[in-house]
Amino acid sequence: GAGVSQSPRYKVAKRGQDVALRCDPISGHVSLFWYQQALGQGPEFLTYFQNEAQLDKSGLPSDRFFAERPEGSVSTLKIQRTQQEDSAVYLCASTDMGGLGTQYFGPGTRLLVL
Amino acid sequence: AQKVTQAQTEISVVEKEDVTLDCVYETRDTTYYLFWYKQPPSGELVFLIRRNSFDEQNEISGRYSWNFQKSTSSFNFTITASQVVDSAVYFCALSEYNFGNEKLTFGTGTRLTIIP
Repeated sequence: GAGVSQSPRYKVAKRGQDVALRCDPISGHVSLFWYQQALGQGPEFLTYFQNEAQLDKSGLPSDRFFAERPEGSVSTLKIQRTQQEDSAVYLCASTDMGGLGTQYFGPGTRLLVL
Repeated sequence: AQKVTQAQTEISVVEKEDVTLDCVYETRDTTYYLFWYKQPPSGELVFLIRRNSFDEQNEISGRYSWNFQKSTSSFNFTITASQVVDSAVYFCALSEYNFGNEKLTFGTGTRLTIIP
């Protein structure tokens, strides 16, 4: 079956622009996670959804970051007024067991803020 | 707070050699899960193994094997007879049982280069 997909794969933004990153989880997966991976580092947790409910957003670095999953499937991570420090790869993962299962990752969106 | 340490930043070995990637973790929970993921140049994280804290049996899958030792809080990964396709960044990760929110804490990764 299809894995997790993310779009766009690459995004270049000028400082101050808003961006929206999309994640399509594996069909039927209840839980969805977003991670941020800076260059040369391991991924770091941003936020967690169970169906449409955002149960944990403790990892979002500032109030410029906002995530939603209105129908419990596709999720969008939005970054407002992008800054250079937002440059990173944004990874999405989904699981089928309410978060208890193994997380399967998408290919990521590489964001470069100039 | 949970923490994962991968002290080896980069490793290079000649093809067909065996190589072990080290992972040391810290957690206060008694129920937790350990993972290894592979990140090839394409960037996607590929799941390799998941282990829960109650299962200390070592596991072998083809050329891959994992050694879990709670006494030393380590979960090391060995590749036997390495191949060029094994070249990638490998991440060890930890999650604590949290009623569904098993968010992962990753180490900083080990970049493995297999020299043909």
